[in-house]
Order: sequence, then structure tokens, then C-alpha cells
Amino acid sequence: NAGVTQTPKFRVLKTGQSMTLLCAQDMNHEYMYWYRQDPGMGLRLIHYSVGEGTTAKGEVPDGYNVSRLKKQNFLLGLESAAPSQTSVYFCASKKGLAGTGELFFGEGSRLTVL
Amino acid sequence: KQEVTQIPAALSVPEGENLVLNCSFTDSAIYNLQWFRQDPGKGLTSLLLIQSSQREQTSGRLNASLDKSSGRSTLYIAASQPGDSATYLCAAPGGGKLIFGQGTELSVKP
Repeated sequence: NAGVTQTPKFRVLKTGQSMTLLCAQDMNHEYMYWYRQDPGMGLRLIHYSVGEGTTAKGEVPDGYNVSRLKKQNFLLGLESAAPSQTSVYFCASKKGLAGTGELFFGEGSRLTVL
Repeated sequence: KQEVTQIPAALSVPEGENLVLNCSFTDSAIYNLQWFRQDPGKGLTSLLLIQSSQREQTSGRLNASLDKSSGRSTLYIAASQPGDSATYLCAAPGGGKLIFGQGTELSVKP
């Protein structure tokens, strides 16, 4: 049982380049989330999805786009990477209504923007 | 707006000691509260999920309590071991999402 899988695990980009982070879950969860974690800032929600075909903005959505074309996948895109987007990105998923259910995390994707 | 606070930010204890980690939240209208563990360079691992109808939840040497009326949850670790060294985070629902505390970095010395 893989749980939540993120790819790639590490990536180095130059300013202005684009990339996509993939999150896949095999637990048939409705809700999926993208967080970033920075020293001293804790976990901050970027975007989330409450089901296939839906997305919503979180706390820090600027500079990112997301898509949820399939229930099991949640993609996070950076169209024009900036050094401020250097961070560790975590995907998470859960089953159940908003505010309920256990949240499961992936191992993280470490992104460096030069 | 839900706010989650964890005190202390860091804690160092000798092996074998029992310890308590604290989590406070401002909005008590929550369905549940979740505790996580994060090892350096790793993702978050779910430790315990306490439903609002429960007062306590136990898993091995871990015991989490929830007091909605006071806006507090505690994570009790019995007979701590060096392998328990990690950052512990709590998270409470707010606005349809989970709001995380900043975490308590625990170091258990052999």
C-alpha cells in the first residue's frame, strides 16, 4: 500500500523555469492538499481539492496552479519559478467531509530555485 | 479564525522520562484534532486522531487527550526513548482545512 506518493523528490530549477509536481494517492480519498514548509513559517496551505475536477486556493496560492483531472492525482505547477518558491512541498490527502478524517502525507518534494 | 499554538517550541529530556507536549486552539467547534510526527527531511506521519466525542486516544506509549471547552490537547509520551526524537505537530480543523501548530522539537538524550 503506497499511500501518498510525490514525484520528483528533489529538483533544482533556474529562475523563470516551469515544472510540475505530481501527487498520487491510492486510498480513494476525496480531499487532497498541497502545502509548503519553510523554516520558521510552519506548514502553509497552497491549494486544495475537495474532489475530482475541483480546486480551491489556500493560504499562499500566488505563483502556483493546480489540477485534479483524476481523483487519485493532484498536480502542482509552477509556471515561472522564483527563488521565493524554494521550499519543501508536501502533498496530503484524506477521506471524509471537511474538518473530519485522518490526513495522510507524502514524503515531500524538495525544490530549489536558483 | 482557527489558530493553533504549541508550547514549548523545543524540549530536551533524558531517556526514560515521561513528558507532555501541549497544543492550544482558539476555535473549539472542531470535529477532531490530529497529532503528527516529523523526522528531519521526512514527511509527516499521523500518530493519533482524536474525535470530538472522545476525551483520549492511545497508541502504544502515546496518549493524546482533547478538552474542547478549554481549547487544549496534550500528547503524553511515556518512558521516552532516543527514537522518539522528532518534531511533533498538532493540527485542528478551521475553515474546512487543517490548521497546523508550529510544532515542538523533541530531543531525547541517551
